[in-house]
Amino acid sequence: NAGVTQTPKFQVLKTGQSMTLQCAQDMNHNSMYWYRQDPGMGLRLIYYSASEGTTDKGEVPNGYNVSRLNKREFSLRLESAAPSQTSVYFCASTAPTGGSYNEQFFGPGTRLTVL
Amino acid sequence: GQQLNQSPQSMFIQEGEDVSMNCTSSSIFNTWLWYKQEPGEGPVLLIALYKAGELTSNGRLTAQFGITRKDSFLNISASIPSDVGIYFCAGLTGNQFYFGTGTSLTVIP
Repeated sequence: NAGVTQTPKFQVLKTGQSMTLQCAQDMNHNSMYWYRQDPGMGLRLIYYSASEGTTDKGEVPNGYNVSRLNKREFSLRLESAAPSQTSVYFCASTAPTGGSYNEQFFGPGTRLTVL
Repeated sequence: GQQLNQSPQSMFIQEGEDVSMNCTSSSIFNTWLWYKQEPGEGPVLLIALYKAGELTSNGRLTAQFGITRKDSFLNISASIPSDVGIYFCAGLTGNQFYFGTGTSLTVIP
């Protein structure tokens, strides 16, 4: 199993450009998440998808859109990038809730710089 | 959003020493998780806790789910240089995980 994979690993954008961050998991997990990590701020939830076909806003959704393409894939789109979106973006997935399945696994991250 | 207060913010210890860090919240969580993150990598799950009062070990790591369900601690015994990294706590309520701001651990050989 590859676990959670993310592409690209690094990206530099100019202000106003758009891009999509890709995430896929091969663990048959229902729930998938997008976080951003900034120095001193910990991880903050942007959007999550509790199951295929559903998405919900997290703590910091402004400036982002998401698509749960199928059970495996959850993409994050920046329509018009801003310097404030310079961050490290992590995708994560969680096994079905209940019992011992509330464990969240992370991808390796995408390091995005917006100039 | 939910606030998780993690302390200490950073620790510098000698190899072989024990380490203790904790996480507190104003809200109740159903699950507590502890992660370690190394530079350039994503967080890696260390320990998951599911019941109030639960004490769980993973090698030299021991974590406890507080009785009030509003706190958790992580202990690392006999630290080694590869323990270096940032340790995060996370609490689960509903479908959302909330993270602490991290404890940066430096182990001096």
